[in-house]
Amino acid sequence: AQKVTQAQTEISVVEKEDVTLDCVYETRDTTYYLFWYKQPPSGELVFLIRRNSFDEQNEISGRYSWNFQKSTSSFNFTITASQVVDSAVYFCALSRYGQNFVFGPGTRLSVLP
Amino acid sequence: EPEVTQTPSHQVTQMGQEVILRCVPISNHLYFYWYRQILGQKVEFLVSFYNNEISEKSEIFDDQFSVERPDGSNFTLKIRSTKLEDSAMYFCASSESRQKYNEQFFGPGTRLTVL
Repeated sequence: AQKVTQAQTEISVVEKEDVTLDCVYETRDTTYYLFWYKQPPSGELVFLIRRNSFDEQNEISGRYSWNFQKSTSSFNFTITASQVVDSAVYFCALSRYGQNFVFGPGTRLSVLP
Repeated sequence: EPEVTQTPSHQVTQMGQEVILRCVPISNHLYFYWYRQILGQKVEFLVSFYNNEISEKSEIFDDQFSVERPDGSNFTLKIRSTKLEDSAMYFCASSESRQKYNEQFFGPGTRLTVL
């Protein structure tokens, strides 16, 4: 069975702080994809990143970076120098071949000015 | 850039009424999905649809739910007799192929409120 755990329910930081959102997943498949989505207060799901199970290279995109460690089944997301606009719920998700997405419970991030 | 669209953005209905949520997937996509997110909870898979058939459905997708592709562009989710617990955000998604299942594009969602 697939499962995604995001242990942090809510995080509050002050603007310009760095923050890491944790994601731990469970799957028996060797081929799978991991995702992060942002859900702002308006409710839509904003795609942030997709990473396949064979690519463990870390990725950086502006203030965002992702650390994928297969050995610990983790796919953590770091926001550097957080901004108020980063306030949202962030979902980690897992997908395997031909199957639907399994989402984690989400982490609500509040960035205070 | 092509995108998935959903209408309406917000639907309010009385308990027991039928509702139809509409989605227009990306034009060359062949796989379609519905997901549900109860307020404050995680996004949950409801159903996937391909070649005019349901290819997979979750336990949530009971006899009250149905999906249809009535024409070449729309993909609908019907709830026959809404219950209070059907209040949620409903997301439609589409992907180009089974091989590209990982590239699911999500619509902006329809917020359903059942009174």
